[in-house]
Amino acid sequence: NAGVMQNPRHLVRRRGQEARLRCSPMKGHSHVYWYRQLPEEGLKFMVYLQKENIIDESGMPKERFSAEFPKEGPSILRIQQVVRGDSAAYFCASSPSQGLELYGYTFGSGTRLTVV
Amino acid sequence: KQEVTQIPAALSVPEGENLVLNCSFTDSAIYNLQWFRQDPGKGLTSLLLIQSSQREQTSGRLNASLDKSSGRSTLYIAASQPGDSATYLCAVSAGNQFYFGTGTSLTVIP
Repeated sequence: NAGVMQNPRHLVRRRGQEARLRCSPMKGHSHVYWYRQLPEEGLKFMVYLQKENIIDESGMPKERFSAEFPKEGPSILRIQQVVRGDSAAYFCASSPSQGLELYGYTFGSGTRLTVV
Repeated sequence: KQEVTQIPAALSVPEGENLVLNCSFTDSAIYNLQWFRQDPGKGLTSLLLIQSSQREQTSGRLNASLDKSSGRSTLYIAASQPGDSATYLCAVSAGNQFYFGTGTSLTVIP
């Protein structure tokens, strides 16, 4: 009964490259959330998705960032043309339907992105 | 806008001591509150979830309380051990997201 799986665990990209971060939710969970943890800062909400739908992307930067959760396969957080300020830990969380009200989150181990 | 504050930012105690971590939030309209533990370079491990209708939850040596009206929660750790050393994060849920504090970094000295 695997938990939330994120890969890769560590990702190094040069400025201007694209970064793709993957998240597979826990079995039976249909809600996926992405958070970013900048150095010395708290976790900040980025986006909330259900299968094939973006429910809330109020925390996503307006440019270069996008997310999807297709019918089949993991959720993907995509960062185009990365800059040094994108270096952070990116965490994915999932919850079952009924979501936050009853069950809270289960987090993955995160992807640590370093832009050089 | 919901803001979550955790005090103290860092805490160092000798092994065996009981300790209390504090969390405050500005908007009482929350679904629930969750305490997490984060080890350096690792993900978040859920410790306790308190739904908005509850006052406290207990798991082993951990006890968390919630006072929604005053916007406060405490995490009580009994008989601390070196393995408890980590950053403890408080998060409250509202709308579609959790709002996190910046954490309390706990060091338990053997």
